[in-house]
Amino acid sequence: DAGVTQSPTHLIKTRGQQVTLRCSPKSGHDTVSWYQQALGQGPQFIFQYYEEEERQRGNFPDRFSGHQFPNYSSELNVNALLLGDSALYLCASSSSGTANTEAFFGQGTRLTVV
Amino acid sequence: AQRVTQPEKLLSVFKGAPVELKCNYSYSGSPELFWYVQYSRQRLQLLLRHISRESIKGFTADLNKGETSFHLKKPFAQEEDSAMYYCALSGLGDYKLSFGAGTTVTVRA
Repeated sequence: DAGVTQSPTHLIKTRGQQVTLRCSPKSGHDTVSWYQQALGQGPQFIFQYYEEEERQRGNFPDRFSGHQFPNYSSELNVNALLLGDSALYLCASSSSGTANTEAFFGQGTRLTVV
Repeated sequence: AQRVTQPEKLLSVFKGAPVELKCNYSYSGSPELFWYVQYSRQRLQLLLRHISRESIKGFTADLNKGETSFHLKKPFAQEEDSAMYYCALSGLGDYKLSFGAGTTVTVRA
């Protein structure tokens, strides 16, 4: 089991562009959460997807959107990129239920906006 | 609103010495508390959770509701404990984890 896999590992985009990040959950997991981790900070919750729907959302603007596919993989889309969107984006998967179940994290995608 | 505070950005201890990482939280209710660890070049992973009351790799953490703290302790630090440690909280019925800013621990020989 490869665990949670994210692609790409690194990405450079220009301000105003759009970006799509991808995540495949750990085998047996059906829930995917996305986090943004700025330099020197802890991960900040963006949203969680379960049964192909956004189940909970953090304090992020509508420029951040997502999708979950029938195979439980997920995408994070960010429109109209700002310099401040530069961060490490982490995907975490878990089994359906509350956040009390253990979250398994991917290695992350490092996004740089120039 | 829920908030997790880790007052120490950096912590340096000698091998064999005790280590304590502080974590304070604010939450109006009964939270679930976690410690996550990230070793060099590895992904973030769960170290322990208060509900399990386990000792993992010699680490323990006690939830003190009166002081709203969940400090992580180990009596004898080892070099392999050098890592970034994050305290995290989840509220009742909540699906998200709220993380602190993290503490970098360096264990010196």
